[in-house]
Amino acid sequence: EVQLVQSGAEVKKPGESLKISCKGSGYSFTSYWIGWVRQMPGKGLEWMGIIYPGDSDTRYSPSFQGQVTISADKSISTAYLQWSSLKASDTAMYYCARRPLTGSLAFDIWGQGTMVTVSS
Amino acid sequence: QSVLTQPPSVSGAPGQRVTISCTGSSSNIGAGYDVHWYQQLPGTAPKLLIYGNSNRPSGVPDRFSGSKSGTSASLAITGLQAEDEADYYCQSYDSSLSALGVFGGGTKLTVL
Repeated sequence: EVQLVQSGAEVKKPGESLKISCKGSGYSFTSYWIGWVRQMPGKGLEWMGIIYPGDSDTRYSPSFQGQVTISADKSISTAYLQWSSLKASDTAMYYCARRPLTGSLAFDIWGQGTMVTVSS
Repeated sequence: QSVLTQPPSVSGAPGQRVTISCTGSSSNIGAGYDVHWYQQLPGTAPKLLIYGNSNRPSGVPDRFSGSKSGTSASLAITGLQAEDEADYYCQSYDSSLSALGVFGGGTKLTVL
């Protein structure tokens, strides 16, 4: 079965660092991009950025450039999203999703989401 | 303010047909980028509903259809069912953002 499995919910304090993960299985991890999408409480989907695990080519949406770091380890089929200093406004559900290298470029498989809560 | 504009809400009675619009500009939909649609049921992750403007992934009922014209796209749902009540998002790419992805603001579908 093709799936993306994300790490569990996190509760952090402002200023702390965090790295969440997204592990792919059931397909060739380097045949797809992995994107990250933010959904703040009660709000819509926001495109954060995308990484190609084959060579770690990474693109960030302007709103998220410099705010987060996206990385991947193709040897363990895992992509990451990390923060160096969390803010309360980072409280959200974060989804990873895979996107084909060519063709329709839609996110065809999604992870279950990781809820990040930042509160003092 | 999303780059792609969707109505915040639509509603319809069971069995009816509803449409959800997604309006963009010459730098995204009008530039020829495909439009994709996602369904997000309450408390769950989004799911791909329509890709490449009008294609359904395996398992998606043919009650769902998509179209694109000019700088806009539409999702149509016929034979509305209670389980269609969800949030729907369009997504495309934008040349002014170095061809990165953009989502619409989302539309809440209520089945009356």
